[in-house]
Amino acid sequence: SQQGEEDPQALSIQEGENATMNCSYKTSINNLQWYRQNSGRGLVHLILIRSNEREKHSGRLRVTLDTSKKSSSLLITASRAADTASYFCATVNAGGTSYGKLTFGQGTILTVHP
Amino acid sequence: DGGITQSPKYLFRKEGQNVTLSCEQNLNHDAMYWYRQDPGQGLRLIYYSQIVNDFQKGDIAEGYSVSREKKESFPLTVTSAQKNPTAFYLCASSILPGPDAYEQYFGPGTRLTVT
Repeated sequence: SQQGEEDPQALSIQEGENATMNCSYKTSINNLQWYRQNSGRGLVHLILIRSNEREKHSGRLRVTLDTSKKSSSLLITASRAADTASYFCATVNAGGTSYGKLTFGQGTILTVHP
Repeated sequence: DGGITQSPKYLFRKEGQNVTLSCEQNLNHDAMYWYRQDPGQGLRLIYYSQIVNDFQKGDIAEGYSVSREKKESFPLTVTSAQKNPTAFYLCASSILPGPDAYEQYFGPGTRLTVT
């Protein structure tokens, strides 16, 4: 079953604008990861945030995590046409023996217009 | 050039035939995974393996089988028992997973069409 719900399902912006995507999940997690997928390709890992972290940056990416609300957000600043892709959050559940198992959300399709 | 390779990129099969999708990695990763992606959907885990000669079912294992005879290879067989096999299949690997799992590295995917 899908752990995450992503919002919005689709986002269309102009180059230079910021893009914010949200992810909610249901169970306690060890970490949450964001991935990017260009059309018809494999996924590329963007950033990992652990359950004891609240914010993390990587280049133009900023990820926040609120474990009390079971939610995360991905902010892409100063977007470029090349950022056009689908973005997925994925969680690693706390506890259990399914080490390494990721549960993916349904993704947000981001379109950046030049 | 390190990475994960999947072959072929496109695969066409007739209904009732088994088909095997290849996944090879030279990243020296212990763990490997198979996912299925349907149009407009996220990824769903089919099988995963943390070590050679061991694997576990994921969320949608019915109609699929795997083997892990070598660390580098994790082939997936889509059997005739899989009711809706047409999908995009993605293989991934990661370093030895623990409770605090690491990122996964994905192959380019195989698009399987069964008619």
